[in-house]
Amino acid sequence: EVQLVESGGGSVQPGGSLRLSCAASGFSFSAHWMSWVRQAPGKGLEWVANIKQDGSEKYYVDSVKGRFTISRDNAKNSLYLQMNSLRAEDTAVYYCTRHLYGSHDCWGKGTLLTVSS
Amino acid sequence: QSALTQPPSASGSPEQSVTISCTGTSTDVGGYNYVSWYQQHPGKAPKLMIYEVTKRPSGVPDRFSGSKSGNTASLTVSGLQAEDEADYYCYSYAGNNNFVFGAGTRVTVL
Repeated sequence: EVQLVESGGGSVQPGGSLRLSCAASGFSFSAHWMSWVRQAPGKGLEWVANIKQDGSEKYYVDSVKGRFTISRDNAKNSLYLQMNSLRAEDTAVYYCTRHLYGSHDCWGKGTLLTVSS
Repeated sequence: QSALTQPPSASGSPEQSVTISCTGTSTDVGGYNYVSWYQQHPGKAPKLMIYEVTKRPSGVPDRFSGSKSGNTASLTVSGLQAEDEADYYCYSYAGNNNFVFGAGTRVTVL
């Protein structure tokens, strides 16, 4: 069974940093693009970032460029999102997803990040 | 990148059909066949229902179908059932390694 389990969410002050992790199992992690998608409380979904199978290509939504870094460790079947210079508008549930055929075919349950003073 | 346009709400009676539109531009929905649809129940993670405009993942009932005409994609749910009541989001490739979601449509089963 494909499983994606996010961790690392929590509460942080504006300007702070946090790293999210996603543990993947049940499929060949190294063979797939992976993504982060977020959802602010009561709002819609927003694609945040993608990373290629070998980590050689990474893409971001404009609002997080220069502040967030997506990475992966294929030996550990893990995906990461390093978030710096956090803002109140980054408050959201962050989902780890498997990206296939231009879609997110598997989703974790999400981890909540709250940015507040 | 602007969100794709979806109606805020849609509704139908059990066994009826409901169609949700997703309007973009020639640089996203109209330019690529990478449109997908997601169902999200309250407090749950989204679930992929349609990918590449018309394809259904294994396990998704054939009551769900997708289509596209020009810059507008559509999701049709036929034979509405109570469990179909949820939020639905469209998603499209927008070129230059960018992707965009629609704002979401809340489907109510009357």
